[in-house]
Amino acid sequence: AQRVTQPEKLLSVFKGAPVELKCNYSYSGSPELFWYVQYSRQRLQLLLRHISRESIKGFTADLNKGETSFHLKKPFAQEEDSAMYYCARGGPGGGNKLTFGTGTQLKVEL
Amino acid sequence: DTGVSQDPRHKITKRGQNVTFRCDPISEHNRLYWYRQTLGQGPEFLTYFQNEAQLEKSRLLSDRFSAERPKGSFSTLEIQRTEQGDSAMYLCASSSYILAGGTGANVLTFGAGSRLTVL
Repeated sequence: AQRVTQPEKLLSVFKGAPVELKCNYSYSGSPELFWYVQYSRQRLQLLLRHISRESIKGFTADLNKGETSFHLKKPFAQEEDSAMYYCARGGPGGGNKLTFGTGTQLKVEL
Repeated sequence: DTGVSQDPRHKITKRGQNVTFRCDPISEHNRLYWYRQTLGQGPEFLTYFQNEAQLEKSRLLSDRFSAERPKGSFSTLEIQRTEQGDSAMYLCASSSYILAGGTGANVLTFGAGSRLTVL
């Protein structure tokens, strides 16, 4: 079974500190990997995906196939980054069925 | 088009009753997904449609659950004889296929969800 593991339920950092949200996935070929974010009282939305190699809102995520990880990073946390973050992987053959991790609540304190 | 719409937003029902949720996807998206999310968990895949065809169903989708997308536009998810364990947020998403860097991926746009409470 495909698995996505997010080991931290809650991550609390101070404003301006670096952030790293961990994500590990079960190995199966070349998966599609995503980070979704849910801000308070808003719907779940895509933050970024690994194939686009882009930085969104200062966040980046690098796929490490050796460690089967896709950690989300930001050098300087902002208060507006406080949200629930979900790592997700696509199924074989193009990502039709996403498997989500249990999520990490990021709290940025002033 | 204001994105993916779900109705109702909240539903409280008694055990044994039937409930139906509706999802209106983004109009140009041909794929539609249903997910279920319980407290402290990430969304869990239930089923998905490409146009009107239901292409995959999770083992989570017991016989009491049925989903339809009759004209390839809106979709309904019906739960018959509800049980307390069915209490959850039911999320709908639709997707477009995006090409980037020579590969494609389905990027899901989620609705706000329908929260079900079974008493």
